[in-house]
Amino acid sequence: SQTIHQWPATLVQPVGSPLSLECTVEGTSNPNLYWYRQAAGRGLQLLFYSVGIGQISSEVPQNLSASRPQDRQFILSSKKLLLSDSGFYLCAWSLGGGITEAFFGQGTRLTVV
Amino acid sequence: GQQVMQIPQYQHVQEGEDFTTYCNSSTTLSNIQWYKQRPGGHPVFLIQLVKSGEVKKQKRLTFQFGEAKKNSSLHITATQTTDVGTYFCAGRNSGGYQKVTFGTGTKLQVIP
Repeated sequence: SQTIHQWPATLVQPVGSPLSLECTVEGTSNPNLYWYRQAAGRGLQLLFYSVGIGQISSEVPQNLSASRPQDRQFILSSKKLLLSDSGFYLCAWSLGGGITEAFFGQGTRLTVV
Repeated sequence: GQQVMQIPQYQHVQEGEDFTTYCNSSTTLSNIQWYKQRPGGHPVFLIQLVKSGEVKKQKRLTFQFGEAKKNSSLHITATQTTDVGTYFCAGRNSGGYQKVTFGTGTKLQVIP
Protein backbone atom coordinates (compact mmCIF):
# COMPACT_ATOMS: atom_id res chain seq x y z
CA SER A 1 0.00 0.00 0.00
CA GLN A 2 1.04 3.57 -0.52
CA THR A 3 2.21 5.81 2.30
CA ILE A 4 3.40 9.37 2.51
CA HIS A 5 5.86 10.63 5.07
CA GLN A 6 6.37 14.26 5.93
CA TRP A 7 8.72 15.69 8.51
CA PRO A 8 9.23 17.35 10.85
CA ALA A 9 5.76 17.58 12.42
CA THR A 10 6.48 20.91 14.09
CA LEU A 11 9.19 23.47 13.58
CA VAL A 12 10.03 26.80 15.15
CA GLN A 13 12.52 28.85 13.17
CA PRO A 14 13.85 32.40 13.54
CA VAL A 15 13.28 34.98 10.85
CA GLY A 16 16.02 34.86 8.24
CA SER A 17 16.92 31.23 8.84
CA PRO A 18 16.77 28.60 6.09
CA LEU A 19 14.08 25.96 5.75
CA SER A 20 13.97 22.44 4.44
CA LEU A 21 10.86 20.27 4.65
CA GLU A 22 10.95 16.81 3.20
CA CYS A 23 8.24 14.55 1.89
CA THR A 24 8.57 11.01 0.59
CA VAL A 25 6.07 8.63 -0.90
CA GLU A 26 6.27 4.86 -0.78
CA GLY A 27 4.44 2.21 -2.71
CA THR A 28 3.86 4.02 -5.99
CA SER A 29 5.85 5.24 -8.96
CA ASN A 30 5.83 8.59 -10.76
CA PRO A 31 3.27 10.24 -8.51
CA ASN A 32 2.16 13.83 -8.87
CA LEU A 33 3.46 15.67 -5.82
CA TYR A 34 2.12 18.82 -4.21
CA TRP A 35 3.04 21.32 -1.52
CA TYR A 36 0.18 23.23 0.08
CA ARG A 37 0.19 25.88 2.79
CA GLN A 38 -2.68 26.47 5.15
CA ALA A 39 -2.67 29.65 7.24
CA ALA A 40 -4.46 29.40 10.59
CA GLY A 41 -8.17 28.86 10.02
CA ARG A 42 -7.82 29.28 6.28
CA GLY A 43 -8.03 27.20 3.14
CA LEU A 44 -5.36 25.29 1.27
CA GLN A 45 -3.09 27.30 -0.96
CA LEU A 46 -1.26 25.34 -3.62
CA LEU A 47 2.42 26.34 -3.61
CA PHE A 48 4.11 23.88 -5.95
CA TYR A 49 3.28 20.79 -7.91
CA SER A 50 5.41 18.32 -9.79
CA VAL A 51 4.54 15.72 -12.39
CA GLY A 52 8.04 14.24 -12.57
CA ILE A 53 11.66 14.41 -11.46
CA GLY A 54 13.02 17.91 -11.85
CA GLN A 55 9.66 19.26 -13.04
CA ILE A 56 8.33 21.90 -10.70
CA SER A 57 5.47 24.31 -11.27
CA SER A 58 5.10 27.27 -8.97
CA GLU A 59 1.66 28.63 -8.27
CA VAL A 60 2.44 31.75 -6.29
CA PRO A 61 5.47 34.03 -6.16
CA GLN A 62 7.20 33.77 -2.82
CA ASN A 63 10.53 33.20 -1.16
CA LEU A 64 9.97 29.44 -1.14
CA SER A 65 11.26 26.92 -3.64
CA ALA A 66 10.67 23.24 -4.28
CA SER A 67 12.76 20.46 -5.69
CA ARG A 68 12.18 16.87 -6.70
CA PRO A 69 15.57 15.16 -6.73
CA GLN A 70 14.06 11.67 -6.84
CA ASP A 71 10.81 10.24 -8.14
CA ARG A 72 9.20 9.97 -4.72
CA GLN A 73 10.91 12.80 -2.87
CA PHE A 74 9.66 16.36 -2.72
CA ILE A 75 11.46 19.09 -0.80
CA LEU A 76 10.26 22.54 0.17
CA SER A 77 12.98 25.08 0.90
CA SER A 78 13.65 28.66 1.75
CA LYS A 79 16.94 30.53 2.04
CA LYS A 80 15.56 33.13 4.45
CA LEU A 81 12.27 32.69 6.27
CA LEU A 82 9.82 35.53 6.78
CA LEU A 83 7.26 35.88 9.55
CA SER A 84 4.55 35.47 6.91
CA ASP A 85 5.87 32.00 6.10
CA SER A 86 4.32 30.64 9.28
CA GLY A 87 1.60 28.11 8.65
CA PHE A 88 0.68 24.49 8.25
CA TYR A 89 2.50 22.92 5.31
CA LEU A 90 1.03 19.86 3.70
CA CYS A 91 2.59 17.54 1.18
CA ALA A 92 0.29 15.44 -0.98
CA TRP A 93 0.49 12.96 -3.81
CA SER A 94 -1.86 11.67 -6.43
CA LEU A 95 -1.62 9.36 -9.39
CA GLY A 96 -1.02 11.14 -12.65
CA GLY A 97 -2.84 10.88 -15.93
CA GLY A 98 -6.25 10.24 -14.47
CA ILE A 99 -8.92 11.35 -12.08
CA THR A 100 -7.71 10.36 -8.68
CA GLU A 101 -7.79 11.56 -5.12
CA ALA A 102 -4.95 13.31 -3.31
CA PHE A 103 -3.37 11.71 -0.27
CA PHE A 104 -1.96 14.05 2.32
CA GLY A 105 0.93 13.78 4.72
CA GLN A 106 0.49 14.62 8.37
CA GLY A 107 1.69 18.16 7.83
CA THR A 108 4.37 20.40 9.31
CA ARG A 109 3.36 23.23 11.56
CA LEU A 110 5.93 25.97 10.99
CA THR A 111 6.20 28.95 13.28
CA VAL A 112 8.61 31.69 12.29
CA VAL A 113 9.60 33.84 15.25
CA GLY B 1 -6.22 31.24 -12.90
CA GLN B 2 -8.77 28.80 -11.64
CA GLN B 3 -10.59 29.82 -8.46
CA VAL B 4 -12.77 27.63 -6.30
CA MET B 5 -14.91 29.34 -3.69
CA GLN B 6 -16.97 27.80 -0.94
CA ILE B 7 -19.81 29.21 1.10
CA PRO B 8 -20.36 29.61 3.91
CA GLN B 9 -16.92 30.08 5.41
CA TYR B 10 -18.17 29.06 8.86
CA GLN B 11 -21.29 27.30 10.04
CA HIS B 12 -22.49 26.54 13.56
CA VAL B 13 -25.36 24.10 13.86
CA GLN B 14 -27.17 22.40 16.70
CA GLU B 15 -26.61 18.67 16.77
CA GLY B 16 -29.34 17.05 14.70
CA GLU B 17 -29.73 19.96 12.30
CA ASP B 18 -28.82 19.68 8.65
CA PHE B 19 -25.81 21.36 7.04
CA THR B 20 -24.95 22.30 3.47
CA THR B 21 -21.80 23.74 1.94
CA TYR B 22 -21.60 25.01 -1.62
CA CYS B 23 -18.64 24.99 -3.95
CA ASN B 24 -18.31 27.19 -7.05
CA SER B 25 -15.55 27.14 -9.64
CA SER B 26 -14.63 29.90 -12.06
CA THR B 27 -13.93 27.28 -14.73
CA THR B 28 -15.47 24.01 -15.86
CA LEU B 29 -14.17 21.05 -13.92
CA SER B 30 -13.38 17.55 -15.10
CA ASN B 31 -14.19 16.26 -11.64
CA ILE B 32 -14.84 17.46 -8.10
CA GLN B 33 -13.57 15.93 -4.92
CA TRP B 34 -14.54 16.49 -1.33
CA TYR B 35 -12.24 16.29 1.68
CA LYS B 36 -12.71 16.57 5.42
CA GLN B 37 -10.09 17.99 7.74
CA ARG B 38 -10.54 17.40 11.43
CA PRO B 39 -9.13 20.08 13.78
CA GLY B 40 -5.36 19.72 13.89
CA GLY B 41 -5.36 17.05 11.20
CA HIS B 42 -4.79 16.75 7.50
CA PRO B 43 -7.42 16.60 4.74
CA VAL B 44 -8.89 13.16 4.11
CA PHE B 45 -10.60 12.23 0.89
CA LEU B 46 -14.35 11.64 1.09
CA ILE B 47 -15.63 11.22 -2.44
CA GLN B 48 -15.20 12.10 -6.09
CA LEU B 49 -17.84 13.13 -8.63
CA VAL B 50 -17.19 13.01 -12.34
CA LYS B 51 -20.43 13.15 -14.29
CA SER B 52 -22.58 16.18 -14.88
CA GLY B 53 -25.52 16.16 -12.44
CA GLU B 54 -24.08 13.24 -10.49
CA VAL B 55 -25.37 12.59 -6.98
CA LYS B 56 -23.65 10.29 -4.51
CA LYS B 57 -24.51 9.37 -0.95
CA GLN B 58 -22.42 8.20 1.97
CA LYS B 59 -24.69 7.47 4.92
CA ARG B 60 -25.83 10.94 6.06
CA LEU B 61 -23.72 12.79 3.45
CA THR B 62 -25.09 13.67 0.01
CA PHE B 63 -22.80 15.05 -2.68
CA GLN B 64 -23.96 16.67 -5.89
CA PHE B 65 -22.14 17.84 -9.02
CA GLY B 66 -23.80 20.58 -11.03
CA GLU B 67 -25.07 20.15 -14.56
CA ALA B 68 -22.52 22.64 -15.88
CA LYS B 69 -19.73 20.98 -13.86
CA LYS B 70 -18.85 24.29 -12.25
CA ASN B 71 -20.47 23.83 -8.87
CA SER B 72 -21.05 21.20 -6.24
CA SER B 73 -22.64 20.79 -2.84
CA LEU B 74 -22.27 18.64 0.24
CA HIS B 75 -25.30 18.12 2.45
CA ILE B 76 -25.16 16.47 5.86
CA THR B 77 -28.42 15.26 7.35
CA ALA B 78 -28.88 15.29 11.12
CA THR B 79 -25.38 16.43 12.04
CA GLN B 80 -23.44 14.74 14.81
CA THR B 81 -20.49 16.01 16.85
CA THR B 82 -18.24 13.70 14.84
CA ASP B 83 -19.02 15.82 11.77
CA VAL B 84 -16.99 18.72 13.19
CA GLY B 85 -14.20 19.85 10.89
CA THR B 86 -13.49 21.79 7.74
CA TYR B 87 -14.91 20.52 4.49
CA PHE B 88 -13.05 21.28 1.28
CA CYS B 89 -14.06 20.77 -2.28
CA ALA B 90 -11.28 20.33 -4.81
CA GLY B 91 -11.53 20.59 -8.55
CA ARG B 92 -9.39 19.37 -11.34
CA ASN B 93 -9.92 21.63 -14.34
CA SER B 94 -10.76 20.30 -17.74
CA GLY B 95 -7.72 21.86 -19.36
CA GLY B 96 -5.50 18.85 -18.82
CA TYR B 97 -3.38 20.12 -15.95
CA GLN B 98 -2.56 17.64 -13.26
CA LYS B 99 -3.05 19.96 -10.32
CA VAL B 100 -5.96 19.93 -7.94
CA THR B 101 -7.26 23.32 -6.77
CA PHE B 102 -8.87 23.34 -3.36
CA GLY B 103 -11.80 25.48 -2.36
CA THR B 104 -11.65 27.94 0.50
CA GLY B 105 -13.31 25.46 2.87
CA THR B 106 -16.29 25.53 5.19
CA LYS B 107 -15.63 25.09 8.89
CA LEU B 108 -18.44 23.24 10.61
CA GLN B 109 -19.03 23.41 14.33
CA VAL B 110 -21.71 21.18 15.83
CA ILE B 111 -23.13 22.24 19.17
CA PRO B 112 -24.20 19.27 21.32
